[in-house]
Amino acid sequence: RKEVEQDPGPFNVPEGATVAFNCTYSNSASQSFFWYRQDCRKEPKLLMSVYSSGNEDGRFTAQLNRASQYISLLIRDSKLSDSATYLCVAHNTDKLIFGTGTRLQVFP
Amino acid sequence: DTEVTQTPKHLVMGMTNKKSLKCEQHMGHRAMYWYKQKAKKPPELMFVYSYEKLSINESVPSRFSPECPNSSLLNLHLHALQPEDSALYLCASSQAQDRRYEQYFGPGTRLTVT
Repeated sequence: RKEVEQDPGPFNVPEGATVAFNCTYSNSASQSFFWYRQDCRKEPKLLMSVYSSGNEDGRFTAQLNRASQYISLLIRDSKLSDSATYLCVAHNTDKLIFGTGTRLQVFP
Repeated sequence: DTEVTQTPKHLVMGMTNKKSLKCEQHMGHRAMYWYKQKAKKPPELMFVYSYEKLSINESVPSRFSPECPNSSLLNLHLHALQPEDSALYLCASSQAQDRRYEQYFGPGTRLTVT
């Protein structure tokens, strides 16, 4: 079983839609979690850190459920520019563990 | 400013060549990382430097040799690579090698081994 698992997608959604990505992690010792976004042939860019209480940044909301070992990312009012791969990441001990990424395609 | 720079952007090298990849950050970060990323896969950790000392080597073949000349610079020396080593090589940095701190990635060097 992979340490961090995501639905690879693709998720194809119209502009203005709300889309949710889910991620599970297997190592209960994981302490910190992040969402990165990666555009085709570019580097991963930090989107959000995920806190236990949940956190929101504009159209983006991240949630963490430690009991279920589950992380989510909600994107509201999707824009064409949101099209990218979204990487769920857990920090274990001394390094990052990446999920395989969920591909999002927003269409007009 | 969360900027990590990498040079060159693209590199084509033969299997007998020796080349180096360079990474620089001026954020005062004390942890720096090398990752390798193949198409449609997530980044794979290769090396971690913490306070200029090698902290993690993820069993990377010796044809890849990292070097951290100072706290702002990280190099990856390449020698006798194989075509399967062709990939995007990403450098990242964080305030420290600690779970609290986010990692920031450079734009990468796209390497092709012929």
